[in-house]
Amino acid sequence: QSVLTQPPSVSATPGQTVTISCSGTPSNIGTNFLFWYQQFPGTAPKLLIFRNDQRPSGVPDRFSGSKSGTSGSLAISGLRSEDEADYYCAAWDDRLSVWVFGGGSKLTVL
Amino acid sequence: EVQLLESGGNLVRRGESLKLSCAASGFTLRSSAMSWVRQAPGKGLEWVSASSGDGGSTDYIDSVKGRFTISRDNSKNTLFLQMNSLRGEDTALYYCVKMEVRMGNAFHFWGQGTMVIVSS
Repeated sequence: QSVLTQPPSVSATPGQTVTISCSGTPSNIGTNFLFWYQQFPGTAPKLLIFRNDQRPSGVPDRFSGSKSGTSGSLAISGLRSEDEADYYCAAWDDRLSVWVFGGGSKLTVL
Repeated sequence: EVQLLESGGNLVRRGESLKLSCAASGFTLRSSAMSWVRQAPGKGLEWVSASSGDGGSTDYIDSVKGRFTISRDNSKNTLFLQMNSLRGEDTALYYCVKMEVRMGNAFHFWGQGTMVIVSS
């Protein structure tokens, strides 16, 4: 069982906006930055969002992150078929002194 | 261009040891905190260990403390993970990851991974 809680799967149709939630505790998301990673099958994860809501160079602005209290979310607008992937949230946990990940959310574009 | 090339993964028996290597290029290793993150087959991501730029500070997940050791040879731009007393639950693809301080210590660049299989 992961320390951060994500829905196992989400789905939407092309062009729609989908939101993936990530729930934590005061010792991780409540205190520290939230990050999001995208992973396609058979490939290494890629950094999508850092410091809660910042995008690395090259990540489209269709991807946006937010955080409030002990939860955060990743929103993908203008959904495309190529966005089908697994998405993971992550944060440092002050109480456990480890990096913790969510269990991952599989996005299906219908 | 940042590149991370892991090696050393193999099929081993429970209780045996293995040493993973990560050859870094495109940046100066001693300037970067680094981590190992693993992914069991069909499962999610799990952070394993981290090392500060000079190697003086290290962290580990509880399940590998006392068994795994992260180290680095900054003169050769190489990161290591010594894995002893391997268990079945250590079976995973191990990624070498460059962390970015200016991004809040994000896991910025990832290698392609090296596979470790522990058989009983």
